[in-house]
Amino acid sequence: KNEVEQSPQNLTAQEGEFITINCSYSVGISALHWLQQHPGGGIVSLFMLSSGKKKHGRLIATINIQEKHSSLHITASHPRDSAVYICAVNDYQLIWGAGTKLIIKP
Amino acid sequence: DADVTQTPRNRITKTGKRIMLECSQTKGHDRMYWYRQDPGLGLQLIYYSFDVKDINKGEISDGYSVSRQAQAKFSLSLESAIPNQTALYFCATVFCNQPQHFGDGTRLSIL
Repeated sequence: KNEVEQSPQNLTAQEGEFITINCSYSVGISALHWLQQHPGGGIVSLFMLSSGKKKHGRLIATINIQEKHSSLHITASHPRDSAVYICAVNDYQLIWGAGTKLIIKP
Repeated sequence: DADVTQTPRNRITKTGKRIMLECSQTKGHDRMYWYRQDPGLGLQLIYYSFDVKDINKGEISDGYSVSRQAQAKFSLSLESAIPNQTALYFCATVFCNQPQHFGDGTRLSIL
């Protein structure tokens, strides 16, 4: 069983929809990261959180430490949000989820 | 200028060749990492370095070696490349437990 599991693996939605991507983990962590990988391959860090909730523009990340679960939400989704979203957790090293491929259709 | 620069961006080579991928950073971060990414899989850690004199194996270090020539430079070598090392390779840097900063990746194909 993977230590970091994301769902769904693939998600296609229409522009404007509210998007939720989930991440569950099985190890004790000091922090959880959400990252975005664009089709060109570059990886950008979106959030690092260890409790509660963070918001940046249309992106919201939440974490429930007791349930070992985090969600990434995108409000008013746009085709430029199309990317792979990756969850990673800080144990002794970063442990990576396999990513969620998001496609937003106009 | 990019904070983390990887060279080359793309490389096609033959089985058995020695290959070096280079990573340099301008952020002054102490920690540097090499990952590989295969389609449908999460990033896998190859090697990491917390300091010039501190090199550590990651989960998939076999077939790879690294050199931390200076705080700003961390090179990954494939001594004798094999086709299953075809992948996208990323270098990343981090300061303490802050978010990692990634290079743009090197797409390596081994024929």
